[in-house]
Amino acid sequence: QKEVEQNSGPLSVPEGAIASLNCTYSDRGSQSFFWYRQYSGKSPELIMSIYSNGDKEDGRFTAQLNKASQYVSLLIRDSQPSDSATYLCAVGGSSNTGKLIFGQGTTLQVKP
Amino acid sequence: DAEITQSPRHKITETGRQVTLACHQTWNHNNMFWYRQDLGHGLRLIHYSYGVQDTNKGEVSDGYSVSRSNTEDLPLTLESAASSQTSVYFCASSGPQETQYFGPGTRLLVL
Repeated sequence: QKEVEQNSGPLSVPEGAIASLNCTYSDRGSQSFFWYRQYSGKSPELIMSIYSNGDKEDGRFTAQLNKASQYVSLLIRDSQPSDSATYLCAVGGSSNTGKLIFGQGTTLQVKP
Repeated sequence: DAEITQSPRHKITETGRQVTLACHQTWNHNNMFWYRQDLGHGLRLIHYSYGVQDTNKGEVSDGYSVSRSNTEDLPLTLESAASSQTSVYFCASSGPQETQYFGPGTRLLVL
């Protein structure tokens, strides 16, 4: 059973701090990795996608991928109360089937 | 702008009734997916389709069916609604890059 693991949290950080969200996956052949943000009562929305080892930056968000360690993370710099949400890690399979395996999500609370 | 819509947004039904949830996308994506989301379980895949006339079972497909007669629509049918099917249902679509875009969701209550 292919799995994606996340700490459910809640992860609480003060406003302006860096929030670090982590995700591990079991399928060593996975090629695509995604972070989604989900506000309470809303649908998941894509924040970042990453396909290669290393860092990918987009504004205040940085995704980090380490395929050897089967680990992907999301850093949120200068965290704002509006970043308070559940963050879902999603991993594609090794054969590009289009299906994603989702983690259960980490709840982030940014306190003013 | 391309989008994915779901209807109804909220539905209350009774045990044993047939229910159909609609999903419509204008991304022209071949891949479409149905998930349910419950506390403690995250997003679980119900059914998915790679194109017209193609449908596949996901990890929690019992009691659900789908059909794909065109690129834009993938309706989800609950053949005989059960209380265990009370959930939030999300439809998603994706193109070649596997990035999935989600609809707004349907909240279903089965009494």
